[in-house]
Amino acid sequence: EVQLVESGGGLIQPGGSLRLSCAASGFTVSSNFMTWVRQAPGKGLEWVSVIYSGGSTYYADSVKGRFTISRDSSKNTVYLQMNSLRAEDTAVYYCARTGLLTGYAFDIWGQGTMVTVSS
Amino acid sequence: DIVMTQSPDSLAVSLGERATINCKSSQSVLYSSNNKNYLAWYQQKPGQPPKLLIYWASTRESGVPERFSGSGSGTDFTLTITSLQAEDVAVYFCQQFFGTPSFTFGPGTKVDIK
Repeated sequence: EVQLVESGGGLIQPGGSLRLSCAASGFTVSSNFMTWVRQAPGKGLEWVSVIYSGGSTYYADSVKGRFTISRDSSKNTVYLQMNSLRAEDTAVYYCARTGLLTGYAFDIWGQGTMVTVSS
Repeated sequence: DIVMTQSPDSLAVSLGERATINCKSSQSVLYSSNNKNYLAWYQQKPGQPPKLLIYWASTRESGVPERFSGSGSGTDFTLTITSLQAEDVAVYFCQQFFGTPSFTFGPGTKVDIK
């Protein structure tokens, strides 16, 4: 079964760091583009970061310089390292596969992991 | 950066009636090289992740009911639900991919039963 499972969320103080994980099954992350999308409570969807199959990485301006996306092919897992966290980073973070055959739409989503930045 | 807008913010439709959601991009998302619009539609129900409905503006994802259809090109797009069912109550988002990369979402349209 093709699925994504996120983990690593929690309550963290402003300025702190957190690493999210996204474990994939049923497909190979290194052969796909993988994306993180977040959704603040009661708000819309915001694209955060993408890692291409070739390894190139890109970030939304709101997280550039603070967040780092990476992957471990041996674990078939994608990560999001989040540093210098702010209250406005509070959101559910979703991992999604970016479909190369679906016009770069996000065709597989995880259930999400909640990150709360608060003192 | 490309900005996506959606209208209306919310709508209430009777069961079996048509629901129409509009999405507008601040610049064209039509790639001239392959004549494809990089525009997708998602459905999100409470407490769930989004679900891909439509990609390339009008191609239905596998398993999506035929009552969902997408249309439009360039900067103006529409998602139509031809006969609203109770299970279609959700928020619907459009999303573009164009260069850089940039994956901008629209603000969402909430669909309810009248």
